[in-house]
Amino acid sequence: GEDVEQSLFLSVREGDSSVINCTYTDSSSTYLYWYKQEPGAGLQLLTYIFSNMDMKQDQRLTVLLNKKDKHLSLRIADTQTGDSAIYFCAETSGGYNKLIFGAGTRLAVHP
Amino acid sequence: NAGVTQTPKFQVLKTGQSMTLQCAQDMNHEYMSWYRQDPGMGLRLIHYSVGAGITDQGEVPNGYNVSRSTTEDFPLRLLSAAPSQTSVYFCASTLTWGPPSGNTIYFGEGSWLTVV
Repeated sequence: GEDVEQSLFLSVREGDSSVINCTYTDSSSTYLYWYKQEPGAGLQLLTYIFSNMDMKQDQRLTVLLNKKDKHLSLRIADTQTGDSAIYFCAETSGGYNKLIFGAGTRLAVHP
Repeated sequence: NAGVTQTPKFQVLKTGQSMTLQCAQDMNHEYMSWYRQDPGMGLRLIHYSVGAGITDQGEVPNGYNVSRSTTEDFPLRLLSAAPSQTSVYFCASTLTWGPPSGNTIYFGEGSWLTVV
C-alpha cells in the first residue's frame, strides 16, 4: 500500500539551511505537499509540487522532487527559531484529495 | 486555518461514552475529511465526504460514524469511546473532488480527545 517515510528529528543551528527528506511509494501521486505544525496548532500548508516538476522555490523554501527515486526534500534557507515545528510530507493517493502523511520530522533550531 | 472550525478543542471522555466532534466550513467546499494524529504515525484518514449525502471510509474507520446532511457540516461521532481513540482529530476541507489543480486543503485547528 501507500507509504510515506520521514526521519523523525533534525537539529540545526540558527542561520544554517535545513533539509528535510521524505520518500514515498505511490508512483501515481499527482501532488506532494509539505505541511508545518507548530505546538498545539493545526496543520499549515507550506508548499506543494506537481509531479511533473523537479523543483519549486518559494522565498526561503525549495522543494526538490526526484521521481525516479520517489524522493522529496524541503530545504529551508537561513533557518530561524520560528521555523521550529513538525514538518509533514504528504502525497495524494487514489482520489486525489486523499492524503497519505508521513510521521513528521521535528525540526529544532538552536542558537 | 480560516474557514474550518472544529469543536470542542479539548475533551475528556470515559470509556463507553459517546460524543460528537463538530466540523464546519464556510467556503462552500465539496470535500471534507477527518484525520486522527497519533505520535510517530502522522495523520491517518478516518472518513471523508465528497459532497452532501455522500460519505466513505478512510484508513481507520472502525469506531467512528459520519454524516453529511449539509455542505457546511461534517460531524464525527464516537459511538462507544475506547482508550485507543485517545488522539488529536483534524477536520479538513477542499474545494472540489478531483485533481487539485492547485486547490489547497484547509485544516481545522484540531480537537484533543482523551479517553480514560
